[in-house]
Amino acid sequence: DTAVSQTPKYLVTQMGNDKSIKCEQNLGHDTMYWYKQDSKKFLKIMFSYNNKELIINETVPNRFSPKSPDKAHLNLHINSLELGDSAVYFCASSQTSGGGINEKLFFGSGTQLSVL
Amino acid sequence: AQKITQTQPGMFVQEKEAVTLDCTYDTSDPSYGLFWYKQPSSGEMIFLIYQGSYDQQNATEGRYSLNFQKARKSANLVISASQLGDSAMYFCAMRVTWSNYQLIWGAGTKLIIKP
Repeated sequence: DTAVSQTPKYLVTQMGNDKSIKCEQNLGHDTMYWYKQDSKKFLKIMFSYNNKELIINETVPNRFSPKSPDKAHLNLHINSLELGDSAVYFCASSQTSGGGINEKLFFGSGTQLSVL
Repeated sequence: AQKITQTQPGMFVQEKEAVTLDCTYDTSDPSYGLFWYKQPSSGEMIFLIYQGSYDQQNATEGRYSLNFQKARKSANLVISASQLGDSAMYFCAMRVTWSNYQLIWGAGTKLIIKP
């Protein structure tokens, strides 16, 4: 059983399209995240939800909209895709958002998004 | 400012040798946690090891150990007896209390183990 699963693994699409990436965790964690990893492998947090509530919303174009129907799911919808959106997107979860400095993140396997 | 610095963008190491991956951090928060993650070519992010700022001993997990030097603000990852499967990107990260417990990430080090 995969702890944090995200789909699809690969997403190839044309500029201007709208796409979604889904994420589910079966760890019973309260907090979920979306990260973007650029071509230089740098990881940048995009959003964080704690029990379905948005707690971190970094400077991300409003074309990106996270949705958390319940605390086990956090989906990412992207409107009007641009070339610069091409990256690997990671979903992650942790037990809580502020439970302690020792809380590790559990990551999904990543979604490689290629915008043509 | 809270910051993680990994000064080695890439490293080549002979199989079976020990490897040290450098990580220095900057924070004024006395309470912080330091993490290492591995990202193999398959892409997933794998947690390796954790060290808390108040931990008296260096953390160890199997072949991984963390050389924690608090006064120098360094948290180097040591991999003993390297294997071909250790070839991957390695990320150092820090969590501090002030930043809403967000993880602050280094730029990563690409490690290649030569047979």
